[in-house]
Amino acid sequence: QVLLQESGPGLVKPSGTLSLTCAVSGASTSNRNWWIWVRQFPGKGLEWIGEIYYSARSNYNPSLKSRATISLDKSNNQFSLKLTSVTAADTAVYYCARFSANYHPDYWGQGLLVTVSS
Amino acid sequence: DIQMTQSPSSLSASIGDRVTIACRASQGVRNFLAWFQQKPGKAPKSLIYAATSLQDGVPSRFAGSGSGTDFTLTISSLQPEDFATYYCQQYDNYPHTFGQGTRLEIK
Repeated sequence: QVLLQESGPGLVKPSGTLSLTCAVSGASTSNRNWWIWVRQFPGKGLEWIGEIYYSARSNYNPSLKSRATISLDKSNNQFSLKLTSVTAADTAVYYCARFSANYHPDYWGQGLLVTVSS
Repeated sequence: DIQMTQSPSSLSASIGDRVTIACRASQGVRNFLAWFQQKPGKAPKSLIYAATSLQDGVPSRFAGSGSGTDFTLTISSLQPEDFATYYCQQYDNYPHTFGQGTRLEIK
């Protein structure tokens, strides 16, 4: 069973950097999977943030205007998200997820609410 | 970006009913379409990938169909645990995009 668990601060100040980590168990980040970040806004809409492959190749949503960076830490079997210059509009539940080796979605983390407020 | 439009936005049904949720893409996404179920306060749960393939452990009363721009999720006989919100997602083009959700409620 693959488990994903998000961690990080639940409150970030405006103009600061949001930093989250997704710990993976039951699978290896060194295997041929894609690791994803998605967020869900308070009104329930879902937004794909980006993804990283085991080779460290990554893709991002252009709507984030280069504010997002996803990195892979194979030694600790986890991956991370950094989102810079945050505003209240970045307040959301952040989910990490996995796409399988044949590029289909399968597992999701439980989600972490991040609020941007002073 | 590809726009994903689900219909209806909400639906009331009874235990044992057959229900169908539609998802339309603003341009073709081949069969790179997934369906998720989400219950209040919980993470999305993957139900179907590649438009028609059932995730391991998902009951066979769930079925997906379609290709290109028009897709459907059918639940053949509603069970109490099926009342939730359902989302579609296309992952053929970047950025991946989601439908707005269909809330399935008990009648």
